[in-house]
Amino acid sequence: QTVVTQEPSFSVSPGGTVTLTCGLNPGSVSTNYYPTWYQQTPGQAPRTLIYSTNSRSSGVPDRFSGSILGNKAALTITGAQADDESEYFCVLYMGAFWVFGGGTNLTVL
Amino acid sequence: QVQLVQSGAEVKKPGASVKVSCKASGYIFTSYAIHWVRQAPGQRREWLGWIIPSNGNTKYSQRFKGRVTFTRDTSASTTYMELSSLRSEDTAIYYCARVTVDVTAIFFDFWGQGTLVTVSS
Repeated sequence: QTVVTQEPSFSVSPGGTVTLTCGLNPGSVSTNYYPTWYQQTPGQAPRTLIYSTNSRSSGVPDRFSGSILGNKAALTITGAQADDESEYFCVLYMGAFWVFGGGTNLTVL
Repeated sequence: QVQLVQSGAEVKKPGASVKVSCKASGYIFTSYAIHWVRQAPGQRREWLGWIIPSNGNTKYSQRFKGRVTFTRDTSASTTYMELSSLRSEDTAIYYCARVTVDVTAIFFDFWGQGTLVTVSS
């Protein structure tokens, strides 16, 4: 069974930098899985941040960036702001189906 | 602007069926597949499958095959997700999402606001 792994929670100071990761068990994440990152707050629809590993969605500030770090996809937030406090989840395209990470709850304090 | 607007919350008894709608606007309805995703309380999100509005073709996750049905009404720019034989574990927020596909990308670009389905006796 394919499982996408994410840190359950993370904390960052205002103005700080944080990197969230998205792994694959078993295996490694590559660009072939078109990793996508979303931000979601309770009661709201998910917002697309990064698609195809490192492409920023329209209107997303450039302090959000995506990459592959080692064997994982990564979302880096540079200069964190209070309204970045949210859940972040990743999705991988497996060719015939999609698999979701468990999400990371990011606290900014 | 692209919008996907879903129907309201539902409460169903075990064994019943539920039908959730997803109305699209702001783009050509038949040009993009619509996928369905759900998130049960405390669980990770799960992909249910997709429907292609232009021809009605569908693909279902193995886990839900036989219990879930996607349909569409092109005149109303609306897709529907029907889940049958409901059990308590089906209590979840159900989302529709549009998929964009091009040479370098495939991803859910726009999502509905979600529909809470509660299964309880």
